[in-house]
This record gives sequence, C-alpha cells and structure tokens, in this order.
Amino acid sequence: DTAVSQTPKYLVTQMGNDKSIKCEQNLGHDTMYWYKQDSKKFLKIMFSYNNKELIINETVPNRFSPKSPDKAHLNLHINSLELGDSAVYFCASSHGPQPQHFGDGTRLSIL
Amino acid sequence: KNEVEQSPQNLTAQEGEFITINCSYSVGISALHWLQQHPGGGIVSLFMLSSGKKKHGRLIATINIQEKHSSLHITASHPRDSAVYICAVRSRAQFYFGTGTSLTVIP
Repeated sequence: DTAVSQTPKYLVTQMGNDKSIKCEQNLGHDTMYWYKQDSKKFLKIMFSYNNKELIINETVPNRFSPKSPDKAHLNLHINSLELGDSAVYFCASSHGPQPQHFGDGTRLSIL
Repeated sequence: KNEVEQSPQNLTAQEGEFITINCSYSVGISALHWLQQHPGGGIVSLFMLSSGKKKHGRLIATINIQEKHSSLHITASHPRDSAVYICAVRSRAQFYFGTGTSLTVIP
C-alpha cells in the first residue's frame, strides 16, 4: 500500500531514556515532516526536511533530532526523555508545498 | 495570541445540517490547509488553498486572502463527519495551526 508509515504505534519508556521513532513514505514525496500533538490536541510542527533543507521549529529542544538516511525516511531521535515529551508524534510527507499525507501517529508515554 | 484562530471550538449539529467552520490568520501565507482528525487519531488532509474555492464531495473550502480568512463548509452533514477539523497555514518556511474545531453530528 502507498502510505506514510510510522513505527512503533505505541512507545512507553522511562524518563531519561533515548528513543527513536521511524517514518517511511513510499509516495515518492520530496519533503517530510514531524509534528507533535500534545494532550490538549494542539498540533505543532517540529521539523520539515527535504534533500536540500532542514527547517527546525526553534521551540523544539535540541534533544530532538531528525535523521534522514534517504528521501523515503525521516526518523526522529529523542535523547534524555522528559515527562513533557509525552504526546502523539505524527510524521507526514508531501511533494513540495502540496497537501500532506500523514502517518497514523506514535503515542509516546513517559513514565 | 495564536497566529491562526478557529471558530467555533465545538460544534454539534443534526444530521443533514449545513455546517461552517471559520479560520482567521494574522500572518502572510503561501497556502492554507484544512485537516480532519478522526476520533481514532488519524489525520487526513482535506484541502490546500492559496486562493478562491475548492470542492470535494460534500466539502467546500474557500479563502479570502485580503481578509485573511477561510471557511470550511460541509453540506448535508452526516455522523461520519464527526471529527476535529484543523486549519493550518504555511508562512514562509513555518506552519501554524489552529486549535481545531470539534464537530459532532447527531443522527
């Protein structure tokens, strides 16, 4: 199926750990994104990335880092997890400025 | 103050009603997106607009660039339209999101 897929769907871990969330798209899109949706359901962009440019939302802590091994993947690494990192993280992709296709989300819970 | 404001925050309608959700923004934009988030959490992009009007099935989205305002209309609403509708704008390299409108359509 053509889609944006994220793994894992659920991630439960302890404070202080380092974790990664993977994202893959097989749509041939050139731009990928990571979003955070907090407990109040407010959606906020964290990063957008294509093969030319990484744009970082300046409010994102540097414990969060995107890693793109190739155009089809944009993984999210989080170091030293904190309680406030608990949220749902969405990956998305688009072709340039066109409408984005979203993954199903990864629910991260920090104990 | 949020760069994108939506109204209403919550909306309950009877099946068949015509629904309007409004979005106002305060920044210069290159595009405006309407997103739908279902109760299960999945997000779907409904429209991307930079001018005028777009229609897809029972959904219509309009934008007035001069007034910095967009509306999402749902005709002949149905319970399956129950979801959160989110307005988002792209301004330069940044995206700004509204807080969403939670729509419940009652049979």
